[in-house]
Amino acid sequence: AQKVTQAQTEISVVEKEDVTLDCVYETRDTTYYLFWYKQPPSGELVFLIRRNSFDEQNEISGRYSWNFQKSTSSFNFTITASQVVDSAVYFCALSEEMDSNYQLIWGAGTKLIIKP
Amino acid sequence: DTAVSQTPKYLVTQMGNDKSIKCEQNLGHDTMYWYKQDSKKFLKIMFSYNNKELIINETVPNRFSPKSPDKAHLNLHINSLELGDSAVYFCASSPYSSGNTEAFFGQGTRLTVV
Repeated sequence: AQKVTQAQTEISVVEKEDVTLDCVYETRDTTYYLFWYKQPPSGELVFLIRRNSFDEQNEISGRYSWNFQKSTSSFNFTITASQVVDSAVYFCALSEEMDSNYQLIWGAGTKLIIKP
Repeated sequence: DTAVSQTPKYLVTQMGNDKSIKCEQNLGHDTMYWYKQDSKKFLKIMFSYNNKELIINETVPNRFSPKSPDKAHLNLHINSLELGDSAVYFCASSPYSSGNTEAFFGQGTRLTVV
């Protein structure tokens, strides 16, 4: 069965440190999509990135970067020079086809605490 | 303008009551979802509608009944509320159900059953 594992339940770092959030997934499909979402303390879920299984190019967006490696089934997320506002729960998710429909399978989330 | 809005934001009710959560999206999306987030932050899909038609119906008690009067609205009605129903319920929408587009989420409804 498809599965998304975020082994780090909670990470705490001091502001300005770099931090990497791990995501490992399992799927039998060749076509699938990976996502990262952010859930700040206010509770809403904010989309960060989508990556399809055919595009292994890493992506950088400001202080955020993502490293997709199919060989290790990982889609890790790095925040460079972390800031207090980065404190949130971060979710990795996998979308693949099931019974002709797509479903998002969510990881358990990693709570990131950035201390001033 | 709020893209996906759900009401109420907080709902406290007694066991056995019936309650509804409303959701509306103004993005013109075809697909809408209901998710449940438990106290450990674990997210699980409950239902998905595409153009008012139910396409995903996960194993949830039949006390939960979604209703989509049009593709911009997906409401969730819960009968005979139980303590275990306490959670945050998120509505979301995406342009279509193909899986390669991100979902946009409402701010969540925190349901507390006492």
